[in-house]
Amino acid sequence: SQQGEEDPQALSIQEGENATMNCSYKTSINNLQWYRQNSGRGLVHLILIRSNEREKHSGRLRVTLDTSKKSSSLLITASRAADTASYFCATSADRGSTLGRLYFGRGTQLTVWP
Amino acid sequence: ETGVTQTPRHLVMGMTNKKSLKCEQHLGHNAMYWYKQSAKKPLELMFVYSLEERVENNSVPSRFSPECPNSSHLFLHLHTLQPEDSALYLCASSQGSREEIYGYTFGSGTRLTVV
Repeated sequence: SQQGEEDPQALSIQEGENATMNCSYKTSINNLQWYRQNSGRGLVHLILIRSNEREKHSGRLRVTLDTSKKSSSLLITASRAADTASYFCATSADRGSTLGRLYFGRGTQLTVWP
Repeated sequence: ETGVTQTPRHLVMGMTNKKSLKCEQHLGHNAMYWYKQSAKKPLELMFVYSLEERVENNSVPSRFSPECPNSSHLFLHLHTLQPEDSALYLCASSQGSREEIYGYTFGSGTRLTVV
C-alpha cells in the first residue's frame, strides 16, 4: 500500500508546547504533503516536500523527510488551542504513475489544551 | 471558502432514493477528485478526473456514479445506497501532471447519512 501511516494516533499537549507527528510510507514517492482537518470539515493543505528535499519550514511548521527510512515528521512549535485538529500525511507516487493519486493515512488527532 | 464548493453540506437519504452530490471549483485546476472519509479509516480515493482522462477505482461499487461535464464541475450520483455508505464525501481539485502532484484544495464535504 502507498498510504502513509501517521503516528501517534492521538496527541494531547498544553499550549506553548511543541507537537511532533510522524508519518511512514512504503513505496517510492514523488512528494509528501501534510494536511490539517478541523472536525467535520475538508482538509487544508499545509506543506509539500519533494523527495529531493530534507527539510522545509512554513511559519510555525517544520517538516522533515528521510527517504532512506521512508518517513517524515511534522513539528508544530509553540502550539495554540487553535491548532487542535487532525493532521494527515499524503504521498504522491513516483513520476509516470497515473495522474492525480494522493494516498492519505488515518491521521493524528492533536488536542492542544489552553 | 477554499475555492472548492460542495453542496449539499448534509444529506439524509433512504436506501431506495437517488440523489446527487455537486462540487464546483473556480481555481483553474485541471483535475478533480472524490474521496470518501469514514470513521477510523484512511481517506479512500474514489474517482479522479482530469482534462486527459478519467480514472476509476475498481473497488467503488456501481451505486456510485461520477460525472464531470467540464473542468469546473464534478458530480457524484448516488442510487440504492447501503447504510455503510454513510460517510463524509470530500471533493478536491489540483493542478498537476503525470510528473508531479501539487497540493489539493478540498471542499468542506457532504455529510451523507443513509437510513
